[in-house]
Amino acid sequence: DAKTTQPPSMDCAEGRAANLPCNHSTISGNEYVYWYRQIHSQGPQYIIHGLKNNETNEMASLIITEDRKSSTLILPHATLRDTAVYYCIVRVGNSGNTPLVFGKGTRLSVIA
Amino acid sequence: GAVVSQHPSRVICKSGTSVKIECRSLDFQATTMFWYRQFPKKSLMLMATSNEGSKATYEQGVEKDKFLINHASLTLSTLTVTSAHPEDSSFYICSARPPSGRANNYGYTFGSGTRLTVV
Repeated sequence: DAKTTQPPSMDCAEGRAANLPCNHSTISGNEYVYWYRQIHSQGPQYIIHGLKNNETNEMASLIITEDRKSSTLILPHATLRDTAVYYCIVRVGNSGNTPLVFGKGTRLSVIA
Repeated sequence: GAVVSQHPSRVICKSGTSVKIECRSLDFQATTMFWYRQFPKKSLMLMATSNEGSKATYEQGVEKDKFLINHASLTLSTLTVTSAHPEDSSFYICSARPPSGRANNYGYTFGSGTRLTVV
């Protein structure tokens, strides 16, 4: 079962920052937070992941609260191509071969 | 780098026939691959874990005799839907994880998916 809770849908104006929240109140100390997105009829795409520190890459920023019970994915300047379902996943460790378990995700619609 | 190729991207088959879906890791070796199924407007559901050189591990409720998985090499896993029926129509996606240390990819790489329609 997925261990995360996300809003089912969100809208964002093109060019504005999209802030996608995720609750993971039962996260364990050795579990990482991963974010993936799925554009319609494609396979999921890795975005970013973190343990406890905030992380940034060319796609997004990940803000994790100090108690690690929630996080926010930030797309700094959303474009129409960012319209997708965004999945927040918690997973033990940063290696190994246990599968990703997907929750329901957040359907982000970027509006022109 | 770290590309997973899935083929075919879409297939239509008649009820009662079998369909094979291939998942290849193009630039890395994968001892383990994962197969997911996704129904319209639903999330991905893990079906099975494919292990190179050994039997696949199926999730509860997934019929192993219906969804045959073969992982004969370190770069190829196949999913065969046997005696397909309309209720098997779905989007099937495979995934693999590149070895630790691959730059910019600490996550899993997914194939582009196969849309199966059984008529």
